[in-house]
Amino acid sequence: AQSVTQLDSQVPVFEEAPVELRCNYSSSVSVYLFWYVQYPNQGLQLLLKYLSGSTLVKGINGFEAEFNKSQTSFHLRKPSVHISDTAEYFCAVSDMKTSYDKVIFGPGTSLSVIP
Amino acid sequence: SQTIHQWPATLVQPVGSPLSLECTVEGTSNPNLYWYRQAAGRGLQLLFYSVGIGQISSEVPQNLSASRPQDRQFILSSKKLLLSDSGFYLCAWSVGLAGNNEQFFGPGTRLTVL
Repeated sequence: AQSVTQLDSQVPVFEEAPVELRCNYSSSVSVYLFWYVQYPNQGLQLLLKYLSGSTLVKGINGFEAEFNKSQTSFHLRKPSVHISDTAEYFCAVSDMKTSYDKVIFGPGTSLSVIP
Repeated sequence: SQTIHQWPATLVQPVGSPLSLECTVEGTSNPNLYWYRQAAGRGLQLLFYSVGIGQISSEVPQNLSASRPQDRQFILSSKKLLLSDSGFYLCAWSVGLAGNNEQFFGPGTRLTVL
């Protein structure tokens, strides 16, 4: 069975500072990996995804993530955060060969950007 | 382009009352459809998924049910709400086997059971 761990439930960071949100997963098969962002009282929006190929994935709003197969990690990074980045961030994993598109979500990391 | 709608946006219901939340998708055919619940300050819990009309799979046993009367319509229901049913309900869709498992989410329904 697959699982996703997000080690930090809350991450406070000052505006214009860099940030890294950590994500580790477990799976016995090849996977797709995703990061979603959720602003208050809204649905989830895809930030970026890893399907195959280059392990460094660039997404929207200046975010990027690096897939590390040996460490089963998919950490999200941004070199300089803005107030508008304050939101909940979810890491997710999906088995490439499931009969339907089941996606396992992590518990989420709340990013708070401090002015 | 594809869009997903959910209504109502917010709902306040007394304990023991019925529930009906609706989700519709536009711009795609035969999508996989999903209902998630998000309790306050917590992650997403998959409640139901559907790979076709009339095909519903439940992930978590509870007093909720789902139906898919049309290809792009997904309904979440309950006959009698419990306090523990409060939360943020999200509908999502994906392309299916031809896709890469990316899910697209609706705006959500905030349900408060009093």
